[in-house]
Amino acid sequence: NAGVTQTPKFRVLKTGQSMTLLCAQDMNHEYMYWYRQDPGMGLRLIHYSVGEGTTAKGEVPDGYNVSRLKKQNFLLGLESAAPSQTSVYFCASSRRTGMSEQYFGPGTRLTVT
Amino acid sequence: KNEVEQSPQNLTAQEGEFITINCSYSVGISALHWLQQHPGGGIVSLFMLSSGKKKHGRLIATINIQEKHSSLHITASHPRDSAVYICAPCPDSNYQLIWGAGTKLIIKP
Repeated sequence: NAGVTQTPKFRVLKTGQSMTLLCAQDMNHEYMYWYRQDPGMGLRLIHYSVGEGTTAKGEVPDGYNVSRLKKQNFLLGLESAAPSQTSVYFCASSRRTGMSEQYFGPGTRLTVT
Repeated sequence: KNEVEQSPQNLTAQEGEFITINCSYSVGISALHWLQQHPGGGIVSLFMLSSGKKKHGRLIATINIQEKHSSLHITASHPRDSAVYICAPCPDSNYQLIWGAGTKLIIKP
């Protein structure tokens, strides 16, 4: 089992460009999450999904969109990248809510110039 | 006021020392998670606990729900324990984890 994978691992964007980050899990988990991690701060939840076809806003959703068309995939989109979105992005999945262990992907380092 | 506070923020110790990392939170919770983030960035779950104590190898996690406090202990610390340790309480109001800023631990040989 690969667990949780993220594509790409690194990306540099110019301000205003768009991109999609892909997260895939092979554990048949219902819940999936997108976080961002900035230096000196805890993980912040961007969006999450409680099942195929559902998405919900987290703590910092502005500037991002998500889709969960298939249970195993959770996509994070940036329509018009801004320097403030320079961060490390982590995807995670879990069997249930915060009452079950979250499994993390390796992260995507995004730089917006 | 932050809903979760970890202390210390940074900790440097010698190999073999007993390590304690603390986590205090202000909300009612159903459970609390401890995770480890390796220097390379990967994040792995260490414990999820809702009462008492759990042990895995040299790692021990304790929680006192009444005092809203949890600790992570590492016995016989080793340089490979060097990492950021993150506390994440799970509020019983919405089950979305609240993430601590982490404690950066460096164990010197």
